[in-house]
Amino acid sequence: DAGVTQSPTHLIKTRGQQVTLRCSPKSGHDTVSWYQQALGQGPQFIFQYYEEEERQRGNFPDRFSGHQFPNYSSELNVNALLLGDSALYLCASSRGAPNTEAFFGQGTRLTVV
Amino acid sequence: GDSVTQMEGPVTLSEEAFLTINCTYTATGYPSLFWYVQYPGEGLQLLLKATKADDKGSNKGFEATYRKETTSFHLEKGSVQVSDSAVYFCALSVNRGSTLGRLYFGRGTQLTVWP
Repeated sequence: DAGVTQSPTHLIKTRGQQVTLRCSPKSGHDTVSWYQQALGQGPQFIFQYYEEEERQRGNFPDRFSGHQFPNYSSELNVNALLLGDSALYLCASSRGAPNTEAFFGQGTRLTVV
Repeated sequence: GDSVTQMEGPVTLSEEAFLTINCTYTATGYPSLFWYVQYPGEGLQLLLKATKADDKGSNKGFEATYRKETTSFHLEKGSVQVSDSAVYFCALSVNRGSTLGRLYFGRGTQLTVWP
């Protein structure tokens, strides 16, 4: 079992650019959530995808968007990058059922310069 | 709203010392509670969980009991090892329909264990 895999592991972008991060969920999981973890902070929820639809969304601007594909993998897109978007972006997968648990990937370290 | 307040660190202990990291929560429903651990340069790993009041989660010598009366989920370990050095996050989720609810995390507690 490969677990949750994210790509790329590191990324450097310039202010104003756009970025796409990718996530493949753990085998058997159909729900993907994205979190932003700033340095020294706890992860903050961005949004969750289930059945290819955004089901829940945290307090993030519309510059943050996502997609889930029929194979349950997911993408996180961020437009018009700001310096403050520099963070570790974590993907978590879970089964579409209550009282389950989320498994996290290693994360993508995004640096905006 | 839903939130987690976690004891701030850093916490520095000698090997074999007793560990407690405090965590309290506020939730509108009936949350599940979690402790996650993050080793340097890595993502989060689930350490233990509890899904209802009075449940005790345990793993690798760590324990935490879901206390509804005090809205707490304190993490304990009787004898820490150098390899336990990491950042520990308390988290909660409240199920929303058929999917796992979003996780609310505390700010994390950095634990350093010296030999």
